[in-house]
Amino acid sequence: DIQMTQSPSSLSASMGDRITITCRASRDINNYLNWYQQKPGKAPNLLIYSASTLQTGVPSRFSGSGSGTDFTLTIGSLQPEDFATYFCQQTYNTPFTFGPGTTVDV
Amino acid sequence: QVQLRESGPGLVKPSQTLSLTCTVSGASISRGTYYWTWIRQPAGKTLEWIGRIYPTGTTNYNPSLKSRVIISVDTSRNQFFLKLSSVTAADTAVYYCARDRTYSVDVWGKGTTVTVS
Repeated sequence: DIQMTQSPSSLSASMGDRITITCRASRDINNYLNWYQQKPGKAPNLLIYSASTLQTGVPSRFSGSGSGTDFTLTIGSLQPEDFATYFCQQTYNTPFTFGPGTTVDV
Repeated sequence: QVQLRESGPGLVKPSQTLSLTCTVSGASISRGTYYWTWIRQPAGKTLEWIGRIYPTGTTNYNPSLKSRVIISVDTSRNQFFLKLSSVTAADTAVYYCARDRTYSVDVWGKGTTVTVS
């Protein structure tokens, strides 16, 4: 299985901050990397697919980059609704695997 | 608007079989190029991909669960199903059904909590 790691595991930020979350795959996954946001008690929500493509309806303050093994999710200016947990997922090979998550709080 | 809804028992005894149904509305399971997927999440932990099914019946399973999992589909009822046998406390989780556009999951059900006890 392809292992996914994320850093940091949590971070404290303030409204208006620019933040970056990193995801690393245990081997080359090309650009088969997705980012999801999850709020407590809710299902995850797709933000970015294919490493850098913004899902329809997702605000443009979210952006993704990377290829191969190293990827980043950036939130350009944190809004109150962005405080949540973020997961990366590789879909290069089954079983599709998720990172451990990064929690963004105040 | 496509919606998915999980249903099934919230409590299953150890060694028994967990059975869940996902009902899809707003779209036909048999149309399009989508897989239909099950994902679970133990409390406070990350997500675990269980497996998926294509409308033709082709399946992919997580090898860690493969010996215990069956995913099936009934296109006439617009439903797909999860069966997980020989459950233990480690199978306690929120179970999500979802639509997989081959390389990303774009529509999720609200999730259903299953406790093994």
